[in-house]
Amino acid sequence: AQTVTQSQPEMSVQEAETVTLSCTYDTSESDYYLFWYKQPPSRQMILVIRQEAYKQQNATENRFSVNFQKAAKSFSLKISDSQLGDAAMYFCAYSENNDMRFGAGTRLTVKP
Amino acid sequence: GAVVSQHPSRVICKSGTSVKIECRSLDFQATTMFWYRQFPKQSLMLMATSNEGSKATYEQGVEKDKFLINHASLTLSTLTVTSAHPEDSSFYICSARDFGQGYANTGELFFGEGSRLTVL
Repeated sequence: AQTVTQSQPEMSVQEAETVTLSCTYDTSESDYYLFWYKQPPSRQMILVIRQEAYKQQNATENRFSVNFQKAAKSFSLKISDSQLGDAAMYFCAYSENNDMRFGAGTRLTVKP
Repeated sequence: GAVVSQHPSRVICKSGTSVKIECRSLDFQATTMFWYRQFPKQSLMLMATSNEGSKATYEQGVEKDKFLINHASLTLSTLTVTSAHPEDSSFYICSARDFGQGYANTGELFFGEGSRLTVL
């Protein structure tokens, strides 16, 4: 079974600074998708960024970017110019286009 | 993006009663929906995959007789927690994939707002 590991239960960043959240996963497949979801206090799951495994280029969405290392099975999220609204739980997720499996999550705190 | 809606958002019930949670895809047809459970400060754990017109597929350790799933139409899946007990108190989230707008090639799931169940 595929597993997703987030080794940082909590992270903290100063407003306007950059923070990187770590994620590793285990799979024997070559085609799959990786995601970062944000869950604010409202508990609504919000897609932050998505990466297709067959694409070598790292995905970027405005202030959010990933470092996808397929051989190392690593998928970290970098948040640049952190804002107070970025404070939330962040979940790394894996999918083979069927169901989706999540890591344990990282709680990000943004200090003003 | 596609919209998934859950109802109710909050429900409180007495121990021993049954509770039904609805999950609707509002602007697309969902042949498959997924039900997750999230305990406080924990991750989302997949409970079952709901398939339109057929039986749900449950994850190991999930009691199918306690968590009844019905997916009678392409836009509605329901989760019924039968004979609820305090340990069933949790946050339940449904999700679906929109195959009609090219999302099938992205693997993205769209999530409902979640339903908080409290069993007294």
